[in-house]
Amino acid sequence: SQTIHQWPATLVQPVGSPLSLECTVEGTSNPNLYWYRQAAGRGLQLLFYSVGIGQISSEVPQNLSASRPQDRQFILSSKKLLLSDSGFYLCAWSDGPGRETQYFGPGTRLLVL
Amino acid sequence: TQLLEQSPQFLSIQEGENLTVYCNSSSVFSSLQWYRQEPGEGPVLLVTVVTGGEVKKLKRLTFQFGDARKDSSLHITAAQPGDTGLYLCAGAGAGNNRKLIWGLGTSLAVNP
Repeated sequence: SQTIHQWPATLVQPVGSPLSLECTVEGTSNPNLYWYRQAAGRGLQLLFYSVGIGQISSEVPQNLSASRPQDRQFILSSKKLLLSDSGFYLCAWSDGPGRETQYFGPGTRLLVL
Repeated sequence: TQLLEQSPQFLSIQEGENLTVYCNSSSVFSSLQWYRQEPGEGPVLLVTVVTGGEVKKLKRLTFQFGDARKDSSLHITAAQPGDTGLYLCAGAGAGNNRKLIWGLGTSLAVNP
């Protein structure tokens, strides 16, 4: 069966510090991968998605970037965090075209102070 | 731009009551999904509806996809405190579109 991992679960970082959040998927190959940010108790904002290694599509221009160095690894990064980067970050995967059900990881709570 | 509107945004009811959550759009979707999310966790898929007019039941939950595939509803019968959470709908566009269009969610609280 497929599983998706995210770490860390919680992160407190000072403004201006770098960020690296990691997401890995097991039990599937060539998944579509997604990074979302969620405001408290509300809907999901798609940040990046990837259909393959090295292929990244950015949905919202901002202080973040994403990379996919391996088939089942998706990384969300920032060189200098802003206060507005605080939030709940979710990674998700799907099987691909025509099968759009997305399966989510447990999320990372980021607090920028 | 495709949009999905969910209503109501917030709902607080007593245990045993029935409720309906709505998800509406002016766009046609190839499929529509409902997720439930608990605080501090990722959303979990409840159901995917694909065919216009389709009705799916999951225990006390009934999901319906509109005939024109533009809207959907989730009905919960005899709500229980364990139903508390954020309910999200998401629509998949036609064609080779890999992105979902998300509603903002309905936050449900079922009080004992």
